[in-house]
Amino acid sequence: GENVEQHPSTLSVQEGDSAVIKCTYSDSASNYFPWYKQELGKGPQLIIDIRSNVGEKKDQRIAVTLNKTAKHFSLHITETQPEDSAVYFCAASPIEKLTFGTGTRLTIIP
Amino acid sequence: KAGVTQTPRYLIKTRGQQVTLSCSPISGHRSVSWYQQTPGQGLQFLFEYFSETQRNKGNFPGRFSGRQFSNSRSEMNVSTLELGDSALYLCASSLFLAGDQETQYFGPGTRLLVL
Repeated sequence: GENVEQHPSTLSVQEGDSAVIKCTYSDSASNYFPWYKQELGKGPQLIIDIRSNVGEKKDQRIAVTLNKTAKHFSLHITETQPEDSAVYFCAASPIEKLTFGTGTRLTIIP
Repeated sequence: KAGVTQTPRYLIKTRGQQVTLSCSPISGHRSVSWYQQTPGQGLQFLFEYFSETQRNKGNFPGRFSGRQFSNSRSEMNVSTLELGDSALYLCASSLFLAGDQETQYFGPGTRLLVL
């Protein structure tokens, strides 16, 4: 089955700086790669996703890149703000079954 | 449009009991998936239902079961509860229109504590 590795597990950045979280996956059949943000006491919230026929996708301060050959994808958050502090999860899926990474706790330092 | 709703939000049970959790998907969504989230194992896929049929199943024992009703609402059941079943149980729904992976939207979860 699919295996997703996510790094780093914790990340602290100064407000206004950029944050990058990286994930690798194992199953070449995976074709859908969402990123979720989870705040304390809440369920994961989709922030951006990318499909295997696209190499990069951007939504305001958030961007995701995908390298199918190397089987890795990354989340980039620019101009970070205090409200970006949360746990971020990457996931990969060939079907209706998401395999999640272990999460990155992002802390934005004011 | 209302999001995914899960009831109850919190639950305390004792070992050996059984529990039923409920999930109402976003209106129009036909696929419902269940996940277990624990600090040690992270987010793990339990099962997925579409049109009242279980299509995919994760690596959980048979004590974990589920079903989906004709209105797409879903329930999951855990029998003979163990301490290790303490977790946040998350439900996610998606449209599933054409066979491609559809975006999954999560509910707030049901936090289960087994004593």
